[in-house]
Amino acid sequence: SQQGEEDPQALSIQEGENATMNCSYKTSINNLQWYRQNSGRGLVHLILIRSNEREKHSGRLRVTLDTSKKSSSLLITASRAADTASYFCATVPMDSSYKLIFGSGTRLLVRP
Amino acid sequence: SAVISQKPSRDICQRGTSLTIQCQVDSQVTMMFWYRQQPGQSLTLIATANQGSEATYESGFVIDKFPISRPNLTFSTLTVSNMSPEDSSIYLCSVAGQGKVSGNNEQFFGPGTRLTVL
Repeated sequence: SQQGEEDPQALSIQEGENATMNCSYKTSINNLQWYRQNSGRGLVHLILIRSNEREKHSGRLRVTLDTSKKSSSLLITASRAADTASYFCATVPMDSSYKLIFGSGTRLLVRP
Repeated sequence: SAVISQKPSRDICQRGTSLTIQCQVDSQVTMMFWYRQQPGQSLTLIATANQGSEATYESGFVIDKFPISRPNLTFSTLTVSNMSPEDSSIYLCSVAGQGKVSGNNEQFFGPGTRLTVL
């Protein structure tokens, strides 16, 4: 069953603006990962943050993790039209070494 | 990262028939998984494909409906049996662990198979 909830469900922004997506989960985790999916295709792994990390950067992506609140956020800075996609958080529970539990996803539209 | 292909990429099937989806990886991997993504929704893990033994199914999924094979470390199949319109989904395979598998492994996903059942 899905563990995570993401908000917003949909987000529409202008090119150049920043996009922030939030993810909440229910149980203790080993790590949290963010994935991107274009138009119902396969998922692309974006970034992994371990439970003992609080922030991580990768290019225009910034991920934060607050284990006390069981939440994470993904920030995309200086968005581009090519960033239009669905974004999913996924957690690896503490009692599992590999199982991914996906959140509900955020549909991002970046208007040119 | 692993390169993963799936066949077919899409199919339209009649109710009551079965479809077998193939997943091929370009290198040996420890773990292979099958997910379902129903229209407009997130991904749900169906099962873990175990090499040389029976797959491990998640709650709500059974072997009779979704038989899985994994004859080696680079290939797996998922069959959707006795299909109904409710089985219309995207089915994705993923892999992890080109080396030692740990909780810090990212998963690499195939392009997915879009199935429509009439």
